[in-house]
Amino acid sequence: DTGVSQNPRHKITKRGQNVTFRCDPISEHNRLYWYRQTLGQGPEFLTYFQNEAQLEKSRLLSDRFSAERPKGSFSTLEIQRTEQGDSAMYLCASSFMTGANTGELFFGEGSRLTVL
Amino acid sequence: AQSVTQLGSHVSVSEGALVLLRCNYSSSVPPYLFWYVQYPNQGLQLLLKYTTGATLVKGINGFEAEFKKSETSFHLTKPSAHMSDAAEYFCAVSGRRTEQKVTFGTGTKLQVIP
Repeated sequence: DTGVSQNPRHKITKRGQNVTFRCDPISEHNRLYWYRQTLGQGPEFLTYFQNEAQLEKSRLLSDRFSAERPKGSFSTLEIQRTEQGDSAMYLCASSFMTGANTGELFFGEGSRLTVL
Repeated sequence: AQSVTQLGSHVSVSEGALVLLRCNYSSSVPPYLFWYVQYPNQGLQLLLKYTTGATLVKGINGFEAEFKKSETSFHLTKPSAHMSDAAEYFCAVSGRRTEQKVTFGTGTKLQVIP
């Protein structure tokens, strides 16, 4: 399967613990996005990368959240000192960026976080 | 800044009836517009997109959408609903040279009644 892969698919943690999610994009895609989705809401933009460069980060994202894409391939999203409000589905998507940016986003199935 | 507004969080139609899901956008630059579908327990997948050119865009599964600049709308339609169309539908917008992140609406859940 050459689609977007996310791990783990489910994570249950206690408040205050750190969690890390991994995303493996489609191999030839140069853009990678992270979104958060809660019940009844659309995907909320968190951040995106072009190759290894983080181009934009949502102002809604607290400093407890950090994302990396060290070699321009896979990406990790870390949440430190988790809070119950962090419980959500974390979505990763990748696309192939051209000069005109018409790239379709290909989504993974998401990583569901539950903070107790 | 760019955004989309989806009117109606839930829409119910009878099987065989017209499907109309509404989306209005706001963008300071010429937009790219998208419709994505999310089936239960699956990832989002692209239905169709508008970039340039023809304003009536055809997508998968018989869906289409029309870009109307004067109305800042990009409504999704399908002439005849099928049971398999039951899903959540998201409108999304991105910019061109700037505002290149993709911003999603809150979604419309489509129920198809047999």
